[in-house]
Amino acid sequence: QQQVKQSPQSLIVQKGGISIINCAYENTAFDYFPWYQQFPGKGPALLIAIRPDVSEKKEGRFTISFNKSAKQFSLHIMDSQPGDSATYFCAARIKAAGNKLTFGGGTRVLVKP
Amino acid sequence: EAGVAQSPRYKIIEKRQSVAFWCNPISGHATLYWYQQILGQGPKLLIQFQNNGVVDDSQLPKDRFSAERLKGVDSTLKIQPAKLEDSAVYLCASSLVRGGGYEQYFGPGTRLTVT
Repeated sequence: QQQVKQSPQSLIVQKGGISIINCAYENTAFDYFPWYQQFPGKGPALLIAIRPDVSEKKEGRFTISFNKSAKQFSLHIMDSQPGDSATYFCAARIKAAGNKLTFGGGTRVLVKP
Repeated sequence: EAGVAQSPRYKIIEKRQSVAFWCNPISGHATLYWYQQILGQGPKLLIQFQNNGVVDDSQLPKDRFSAERLKGVDSTLKIQPAKLEDSAVYLCASSLVRGGGYEQYFGPGTRLTVT
């Protein structure tokens, strides 16, 4: 099973609030979990990534929480800013499959000023 | 460092016509990927090249889609004949090596509309 399920499909948050996006996977062979940010008319860009031997990774206002036993991971955007308005994709990779990424369906985030 | 370049950025064609997209990866990147991103969905891998060889084309609709990467640098993706359901953004990405741990860098994509 190669699917990565992402929720919610969209969310609206006030400036300064917290945005939370959740992803779940089935294949325990996944060994790398990146999050991508995509602005309209642009390609996805790597935002932050985590490996399954780590439970949390923080970079600035962005934090990934990883629950290996539940096969779930989430992205938290703290102090959300209007410039964070974009579509966010979680993804998962199997190293042995040549760095192939399986993407979630995406979450459109709108940060209201 | 220049990013992944793609052209054209937009293309509108009628069904049953053919179309081709071009990608120039980041210099020195051995691995090149073509993804299809349908509106409201995540990107789906169509084909992966390592240098000029195909390493994964399991999700490429080979009856109408073809891709090549001559000399291990630029790549073209062709659709012939196009169907309405091919309307999507076609993303090209590249990474330094095929193995794990290397980031995929995406181009801006080509938005295809089939009418």
